[in-house]
Amino acid sequence: GAGVSQSPSNKVTEKGKDVELRCDPISGHTALYWYRQSLGQGLEFLIYFQGNSAPDKSGLPSDRFSAERTGGSVSTLTIQRTQQEDSAVYLCASSLGLAPSYNEQFFGPGTRLTVL
Amino acid sequence: QKEVEQNSGPLSVPEGAIASLNCTYSDRGSQSFFWYRQYSGKSPELIMFIYSNGDKEDGRFTAQLNKASQYVSLLIRDSQPSDSATYLCAVIRYGNKLVFGAGTILRVKS
Repeated sequence: GAGVSQSPSNKVTEKGKDVELRCDPISGHTALYWYRQSLGQGLEFLIYFQGNSAPDKSGLPSDRFSAERTGGSVSTLTIQRTQQEDSAVYLCASSLGLAPSYNEQFFGPGTRLTVL
Repeated sequence: QKEVEQNSGPLSVPEGAIASLNCTYSDRGSQSFFWYRQYSGKSPELIMFIYSNGDKEDGRFTAQLNKASQYVSLLIRDSQPSDSATYLCAVIRYGNKLVFGAGTILRVKS
């Protein structure tokens, strides 16, 4: 596909369950990012992958959150023991991963997570 | 103080007018500046980016950057109802992660 894709588009889960969110970046983009947007809030950075470098995990809110990127392409964000405050739209973005001045990030449609 | 600040709005302008959206940032080391548009229920889409002082024009959109004042703005000329959306300002301080403002709601009335 031409753009960033994410699945599922919607996920409803019960408190305490684990969830996995998937992101397929734009082909050829070496950088991949996860953000979340809570109702009425701005976008909050979670984690960033660049090529084979160690990911920047500085935005992960707790150790219940983790992410991996396999083969330099697809990424999975995992939230363990979900809490109601985890309810948000989780957005994935990708970029060519060039110098910051040229780092145009393109966003996927997001996964809306609802924790009951 | 938030790293990126925007007036939440809503900013209401009549159709055909110029909409002026403003953003300030706290870190003088910020390198690049982006404007995203987000329609309700949709993901953000990039409108423009700027990294040098001055103006950058693209169609009806002009981004303005003043690093001395730590200020970046977006002007939308000939505003259309379809421009009604939330406009997000974002900056890159280091690395490649974007820091977003909370966004300004723009309403263009026909």
